[in-house]
Amino acid sequence: AQKVTQAQTEISVVEKEDVTLDCVYETRDTTYYLFWYKQPPSGELVFLIRRNSFDEQNEISGRYSWNFQKSTSSFNFTITASQVVDSAVYFCALTPISGNKLVFGAGTILRVKS
Amino acid sequence: DAMVIQNPRYQVTQFGKPVTLSCSQTLNHNVMYWYQQKSSQAPKLLFHYYDKDFNNEADTPDNFQSRRPNTSFCFLDIRSPGLGDAAMYLCATSRFSGRGGTDTQYFGPGTRLTVL
Repeated sequence: AQKVTQAQTEISVVEKEDVTLDCVYETRDTTYYLFWYKQPPSGELVFLIRRNSFDEQNEISGRYSWNFQKSTSSFNFTITASQVVDSAVYFCALTPISGNKLVFGAGTILRVKS
Repeated sequence: DAMVIQNPRYQVTQFGKPVTLSCSQTLNHNVMYWYQQKSSQAPKLLFHYYDKDFNNEADTPDNFQSRRPNTSFCFLDIRSPGLGDAAMYLCATSRFSGRGGTDTQYFGPGTRLTVL
């Protein structure tokens, strides 16, 4: 069975603070994809990143960075110098490479205050 | 820009009155999904189409049906909406390449359904 755990239900930060959203996963598959999606108040799920289980290289995209550690089954997401527009629900998700069903975590609500 | 479009964005229906939500895509993806998302919860997969093959999730109520007349369009029919069916309904698409597996799922803006 597959499972994604986002232990942080809600995080509040002040603008310009750095914030890390945690994601821990369980899977018996040896090959899989990990994802992060952002859901702003408008409701659309916006794709942020996909990571292949073969590739543990960390990734940086502007203010966003991701730390994938297979040894601890974690795929954490850091926002540097947070902005009010970063306020949203963030979902971590998992799927086997051979499959097509996303397993979502419960989501983390991020509130960035000005 | 290639995209996933959902209409309407907001739908109000009466208890028991059939309602249809629509999704279209310009990405030419062969897989289309319907998710239900209730307040403060993660999206829950209802079913998906791989080309014309329909794949229902085991716990999706019979009240929910779907149609995919062509590659670009997919519909969600709720035959007799109950108060518990009020939710955001999200459509997503992806490309499945056989041995390569499934690509990223891209979501539409969602339809927020209210049942009175």
